[in-house]
Amino acid sequence: GNSVTQMEGPVTLSEEAFLTINCTYTATGYPSLFWYVQYPGEGLQLLLKATKADDKGSNKGFEATYRKETTSFHLEKGSVQVSDSAVYFCALSPIQGAQKLVFGQGTRLTINP
Amino acid sequence: DVKVTQSSRYLVKRTGEKVFLECVQDMDHENMFWYRQDPGLGLRLIYFSYDVKMKEKGDIPEGYSVSREKKERFSLILESASTNQTSMYLCASSLWAGDRPYEQYFGPGTRLTVT
Repeated sequence: GNSVTQMEGPVTLSEEAFLTINCTYTATGYPSLFWYVQYPGEGLQLLLKATKADDKGSNKGFEATYRKETTSFHLEKGSVQVSDSAVYFCALSPIQGAQKLVFGQGTRLTINP
Repeated sequence: DVKVTQSSRYLVKRTGEKVFLECVQDMDHENMFWYRQDPGLGLRLIYFSYDVKMKEKGDIPEGYSVSREKKERFSLILESASTNQTSMYLCASSLWAGDRPYEQYFGPGTRLTVT
């Protein structure tokens, strides 16, 4: 079946540190891949996406590259800010049933000034 | 901007009560979703609706039902609430795009406590 695995949290970093949140997936064929972010007290919002192999999604200084050889979609940011503190979810949209999303368990990120 | 609203941010109910969670979207989206969010488990799909009066079970439909009488409104019903249904409930909507995925837009969530 389809599944997404994210690195265990919580993750705590200092401001301006480099961020990586690992995400790997299991799916049939080539799904579309997403990162969603949930700020405190809010619903989820799309951060970035990639729809085919080797695509790079980017937004707000965050990047992730769709790697089919390693079935991964790791989230990176070069210099984090306190305002990046949130829960990050990796998700996939399968080839069949593309309207639905399969989410990872979420990674809580805290950035200290 | 797309707006998805949920009827309550916080709700406390007793075991055995019938509970209604309401969700409204204002962008004429065909698809609507109900998820529950639990620590360490991420989001799990309860039910999905792709049109008025059309619904499809998600991964964890047991103990829940849904109603979609109008395109903009999608209700989640707990027929007889139990303590293991204490959770955060998130509603989302998206355009219908056949075999292509579209972004899902989420409401702020309803934190339900069943005592």
